Order: sequence, then C-alpha cells, then structure tokens
Amino acid sequence: QQQVKQSPQSLIVQKGGIPIINCAYENTAFDYFPWYQQFPGKGPALLIAIRPDVSEKKEGRFTISFNKSAKQFSLHIMDSQPGDSATYFCAASPANNNDMRFGAGTRLTVKP
Amino acid sequence: NAGVTQTPKFQVLKTGQSMTLQCAQDMNHEYMSWYRQDPGMGLRLIHYSVGAGITDQGEVPNGYNVSRSTTEDFPLRLLSAAPSQTSVYFCASSYSRWRQNTGELFFGEGSRLTVL
Repeated sequence: QQQVKQSPQSLIVQKGGIPIINCAYENTAFDYFPWYQQFPGKGPALLIAIRPDVSEKKEGRFTISFNKSAKQFSLHIMDSQPGDSATYFCAASPANNNDMRFGAGTRLTVKP
Repeated sequence: NAGVTQTPKFQVLKTGQSMTLQCAQDMNHEYMSWYRQDPGMGLRLIHYSVGAGITDQGEVPNGYNVSRSTTEDFPLRLLSAAPSQTSVYFCASSYSRWRQNTGELFFGEGSRLTVL
C-alpha cells in the first residue's frame, strides 16, 4: 500500500502545453515533498522540492503547488518541451528521517 | 565526480542462485538506501542505513540482506533469487536530515536483474 498516490499514470501533451501531475499522501509526519525526473536508462534526479510551510514553489518552468489541508501536491510544467519527456515521481519523507516514499510515477510525453 | 556507482548494470540469474549488487558513493553521505523499481509500482524502499554498522528494513525487505561496514559501501544481497525479484534496483545516498534538512537523494544508474 503506497504511502504516496500519484496520477495520472501517463500523460501526453503537445509542445507548449502545461502538463499537471498530482499526488496525495496520508502521513502527516511527511515534511519534505520532492519531485524526481527520470530519463530512460538513468536513475531519478531531483527536479524541485517543497516544504509544507509554503503553498507554491517555482523554479524555471517547473512549479509545485501544495495544499496542506487536503494533503495534496502537484507539479506543473509550463511551456513543456519534447526534452521534458521523462518519467516523473513525486515523493515524501518525514521530518528528521531520510526515508523517502515514492509515488508510482507518471510517464510524460511531449509531442513536437 | 563518480557520485553513486552501482555494479553490475545487468545480471541474469536462475531461481535459487545468490548474488550481491554493489553500491559505492564518494560524497561522504551518512544515509544509503536500496530501492526497486517495477512498472506501475514506482520506487519501493528495500533497506536503508543511517551510518556504518546500522541498517534497517524498508517497505519490501523480504528476500534481501544488507550490511554497512564502511560509509562508502552498501551492498545488497539476494540469498536465493526468485522470479518475483526481477526488477531494476537503484542505490541512493544523501546527507542525514540533521545535517541537510532536505534529504535530497542521489541515485545510481541502476542494476537490471532478471531471475529465470
């Protein structure tokens, strides 16, 4: 039973579109919410992360929205590019603990 | 800049065989962990270690053993491989949360294991 639920499983958008990936969690001990990006044949790499004391964080074209009361967070990719085609994982870890629990992943395809 | 190094990259085993997946990091990270990645399941934590001599179980520890004799190395052992252990295995490391309050994980490139 995954502690972090992620949707959708796959997503196809046109270049310039704004894909949105959603995650939900139950464990209120989680206090760090990263998103990882994985290209085929590679390990995941940190893309952007947020703490629960803010509702939004933006880095370049990537934005995390966080709703603490609903225990949900999402990733938005502005002006998506074919190079953004990858698998994206949301994750969460508790305070004072390194154990990271991951969502099931979303395979994003950005068509030219 | 080696980062996290995993060997082998590919391995085929027969049911019942044993093997060890190697993981080494050169970033002086206290925390190391093993994940398995399966389609539709994401990354699931197998075992982790917060420092040399200390290991603990994650979500899916059955069938796997680990040890942490040095800060740099964290091998994962399959004692009697089963087809259900066919997967891609990732080693990851990070500074402890007490030192870096974000817990960013650095991953190796993975080891693809097939058990026949």
